[in-house]
Parts: sequence; structure tokens; C-alpha cells
Amino acid sequence: KAGVTQTPRYLIKTRGQQVTLSCSPISGHRSVSWYQQTPGQGLQFLFEYFSETQRNKGNFPGRFSGRQFSNSRSEMNVSTLELGDSALYLCASSLGGVGPYNEQFFGPGTRLTVL
Amino acid sequence: GDSVTQMEGPVTLSEEAFLTINCTYTATGYPSLFWYVQYPGEGLQLLLKATKADDKGSNKGFEATYRKETTSFHLEKGSVQVSDSAVYFCALLLSNDYKLSFGAGTTVTVRA
Repeated sequence: KAGVTQTPRYLIKTRGQQVTLSCSPISGHRSVSWYQQTPGQGLQFLFEYFSETQRNKGNFPGRFSGRQFSNSRSEMNVSTLELGDSALYLCASSLGGVGPYNEQFFGPGTRLTVL
Repeated sequence: GDSVTQMEGPVTLSEEAFLTINCTYTATGYPSLFWYVQYPGEGLQLLLKATKADDKGSNKGFEATYRKETTSFHLEKGSVQVSDSAVYFCALLLSNDYKLSFGAGTTVTVRA
């Protein structure tokens, strides 16, 4: 069974640009969550989608947005990039229930560098 | 709010040494607790979990016990190997929630 895939793996952008990251969940999984990982802030939750609906959102500015398609693939978009957006963006997929039996499987991440 | 505090690193050990990484949490309700591991250049992998008080999670020689009275979930391994070098994250998940709350991570380096 293929794992969670994220594309691209590495990305370099300049301030003010926008970027779109993609995540393909494990087959059969309907939930996709996004996390930002930085040395200073650690791992922070961005948002979670289930069946094309955003169910939960972290404390990030409106420049960060996402969506999910009918095949459960998800994209996240960051507009007007800032230097502080440089991070590893991790995607996790799960079946979609709540609580501990809904194990989240993580992808390898997309490393975004903003110059 | 809900939060996880873990022992700061980095931690450097010799092969076959005993490893302990402390983790404590603050949460409303009764969370489930997790340890994730991140190897260089990779995403997170679930190492072990515990869903209720006094549960012990174990995997690959690692163990952690959910202690409600001390709100702790310390990770231990009796004899580490070089291949255990990684960043370890403690995390919690509330029973009615979808998002994981992570600790800051502890970098462990094991030397041969």
C-alpha cells in the first residue's frame, strides 16, 4: 500500500510570491491534515479536511489556505510569501474519525525556502 | 490550552546506553498520548501510543506509560543503537479532536 506522497519535495521561492503544495493520501483515507514545522515554533497544525470540507483550522493568517478534491488529494496554498514561511510542511492522512484510533500517517514533507 | 512539554535536547548517548526522554502534558479531558520519531530527511512515524491511564505503549524496544497522576508519558529504551538517532516528538490528541498537539521535539544522537 503506497504511503502519503507530497510534491514537490523541495521548493525555493522569493518574498511576495505564492506557492501551492500537494498531498496525496493513502488510498481509502478521507482526511488530510497539514502541519508546519519550523525550528523556532516546532510542529503547528494548519488545517484538516475531510470529504472536501475543512473541519478544523489552526491559528495561521489568511494567507494560508487549502482545499481537498473529491479523490481526497489536498493542496495548500500560501500567498504573499514571507521569510518566516520557510519551513517543512507535513501532510498527514487518516480514515477520518476522531480520537486515538484514527491513526495519522505522515508524508515526507515539502521543504519550502523563501528568499 | 492543551500543550505538551518535553525534555530539551540535544541528547547524546553511547551505543547500548539507557535512554529516557521526559514528556508531560496539560489537557482538558482525557487525551491519548503518542510518541513520533523523525529520521533525517523524513516525515514523522508513529512509534507508540497509549489511549488511557496506565496503558503502556511499546514498539522496537521503546516503552512509555501513560501516568495520569503525574500527567506524564516518558519514553524509555534500555539499550540504544546508532540507528535510533532521530528527533522524537511527544504528542497528544483529545478524544473529540482531529489535530495533534506536539512537544518541541528532542534530538537524540547515538554514537558507536
